[in-house]
Amino acid sequence: DAKTTQPPSMDCAEGRAANLPCNHSTISGNEYVYWYRQIHSQGPQYIIHGLKNNETNEMASLIITEDRKSSTLILPHATLRDTAVYYCIVRRDSGGGADGLTFGKGTHLIIQP
Amino acid sequence: DAGVTQSPTHLIKTRGQQVTLRCSPKSGHDTVSWYQQALGQGPQFIFQYYEEEERQRGNFPDRFSGHQFPNYSSELNVNALLLGDSALYLCASSKPRVYGYTFGSGTRLTVV
Repeated sequence: DAKTTQPPSMDCAEGRAANLPCNHSTISGNEYVYWYRQIHSQGPQYIIHGLKNNETNEMASLIITEDRKSSTLILPHATLRDTAVYYCIVRRDSGGGADGLTFGKGTHLIIQP
Repeated sequence: DAGVTQSPTHLIKTRGQQVTLRCSPKSGHDTVSWYQQALGQGPQFIFQYYEEEERQRGNFPDRFSGHQFPNYSSELNVNALLLGDSALYLCASSKPRVYGYTFGSGTRLTVV
């Protein structure tokens, strides 16, 4: 799986959009971009994933650049409960099973009141 | 609908001892993975079980072993515990064609 690079920490004001960048310049054509987050003392939580098109669900939006070498996770209206470590993961399999996840150190997002 | 359940939540063991951690997957999920998360680090993949067999393994020594039962629940066994095995152990479940894993809240293992 391709490696990812994320800033170690970011701050965002409550109610504003939080934009978390991820660089994955060595991504292959069949690799997906996944985002998970881990709130303190809990297990990671799946947020969203995509291949090359932008994706949106009830939690967030995922913007993938046309060359697929980077992506941005957007939390449109951040709340204090969004304070967590956010992990960007690139992996081949698009469904459950087959490959374990390779986590980096992620981005510690702190939402300020 | 219960998510992934892990037991116990906390555990203290002595160096050299053996430990067994347990995981019940989310209802309808048939694949179980185990991860180790040291303080301040991201989770590291240990292995994955499907149809009662180890399907994939990360870079962990043979002291780490597992089992999956016919009801899809799983155990993680660690022998000859080292101080460095102190970590949060996470279980994740999934099923084919479902995107994303569901994680439990983990077992905090402390080796003294």
